[in-house]
Amino acid sequence: AQSVTQPDIHITVSEGASLELRCNYSYGATPYLFWYVQSPGQGLQLLLKYFSGDTLVQGIKGFEAEFKRSQSSFNLRKPSVHWSDAAEYFCAVGLDSWGKLQFGAGTQVVVTP
Amino acid sequence: DGGITQSPKYLFRKEGQNVTLSCEQNLNHDAMYWYRQDPGQGLRLIYYSQIVNDFQKGDIAEGYSVSREKKESFPLTVTSAQKNPTAFYLCATRDRLNTEAFFGQGTRLTVV
Repeated sequence: AQSVTQPDIHITVSEGASLELRCNYSYGATPYLFWYVQSPGQGLQLLLKYFSGDTLVQGIKGFEAEFKRSQSSFNLRKPSVHWSDAAEYFCAVGLDSWGKLQFGAGTQVVVTP
Repeated sequence: DGGITQSPKYLFRKEGQNVTLSCEQNLNHDAMYWYRQDPGQGLRLIYYSQIVNDFQKGDIAEGYSVSREKKESFPLTVTSAQKNPTAFYLCATRDRLNTEAFFGQGTRLTVV
């Protein structure tokens, strides 16, 4: 069955340190891949997306993600986190551009001073 | 101003009552989605629709129903058959060109 896995439920990181959030998927073909961020009680905001081309994708707020076909992964990174990056992050996967879109369980990021 | 409007923001209902959540969009996107969000479970897909008068079940459709009579609107009805309806509900849209999903601000439903 198709699935999206975010192995880390909760990550605590110091301000200024680097951050990496993991996302693995189980799909037959290379899917459309997305990372979203959610502040408490709000909708979701797109950070970046990938469906073809360069496997290293740049997004907003200084985030980047790398697609690795051999590992079925699409990990999100930020070199230096800011206190405002504290939020919940979701990886999403779809087989096409406008069909079923499946989300992972999310990773809660806490930023300490 | 373009966007997705979910209403109401907060909704309280008694157990056993059906309730309908509204989602309207003026982005002219073809696809619309309903997700349910519970702590620690991420977003789970309830239903989605790619064209008017057609929709597909998602992963947790039991106890929910939808309609898509016009492109701009995709209301979700939470029926009394839904065992645990208290949750945060998010509506999203997507178009074929941009591929990404755009989200409304959500409706928090509490059943007492």
